[in-house]
Amino acid sequence: GNSVTQMEGPVTLSEEAFLTINCTYTATGYPSLFWYVQYPGEGLQLLLKATKADDKGSNKGFEATYRKETTSFHLEKGSVQVSDSAVYFCALKPGAGSYQLTFGKGTKLSVIP
Amino acid sequence: DGGITQSPKYLFRKEGQNVTLSCEQNLNHDAMYWYRQDPGQGLRLIYYSQIVNDFQKGDIAEGYSVSREKKESFPLTVTSAQKNPTAFYLCASSLGQAAYEQYFGPGTRLTVT
Repeated sequence: GNSVTQMEGPVTLSEEAFLTINCTYTATGYPSLFWYVQYPGEGLQLLLKATKADDKGSNKGFEATYRKETTSFHLEKGSVQVSDSAVYFCALKPGAGSYQLTFGKGTKLSVIP
Repeated sequence: DGGITQSPKYLFRKEGQNVTLSCEQNLNHDAMYWYRQDPGQGLRLIYYSQIVNDFQKGDIAEGYSVSREKKESFPLTVTSAQKNPTAFYLCASSLGQAAYEQYFGPGTRLTVT
């Protein structure tokens, strides 16, 4: 079956530090990959996506590259801000014909001034 | 503004009572979804609907029911058969089979005592 594994949190960083949140997946076929962000008490917002191998998704300074050879989609940001404090979810969608997203358990990030 | 609304934000019920959570979207999306979020568990799919008057069970449908009588509305009923109903419930929608992004509402936190 399909599954997503994220690094466990919580992760605490100082402002302007470099961020990496690891995400690996198991899926049949050619899934699309996503990062969602959830701010406290809110729903999820799509942060970035990649639909095929070697694609790089980017948004708001965050980046992730779809690596088929290592089945990974690690989230990175060069310099985090306090406003980036949130829970980050990695997710996959098996293929264009599938409606179902499979989520990782989420990684809580806290950025301190 | 287009978006997804969920009401209420907080809901309290006594054990043994059925409760219905509201989800409305004005994005003209065909597909709608219900997820359950528990601490440290990520999101799990309860039900989804691709078109009006049609819906399918997700991974954890037992103890829940849905209806899709209108394109913009997808209410979720948590029945007394759901053994552990206290959770954060998220509604989402997407354009349809060819679309990748799911857009999420702000969520409803249900507490059953």
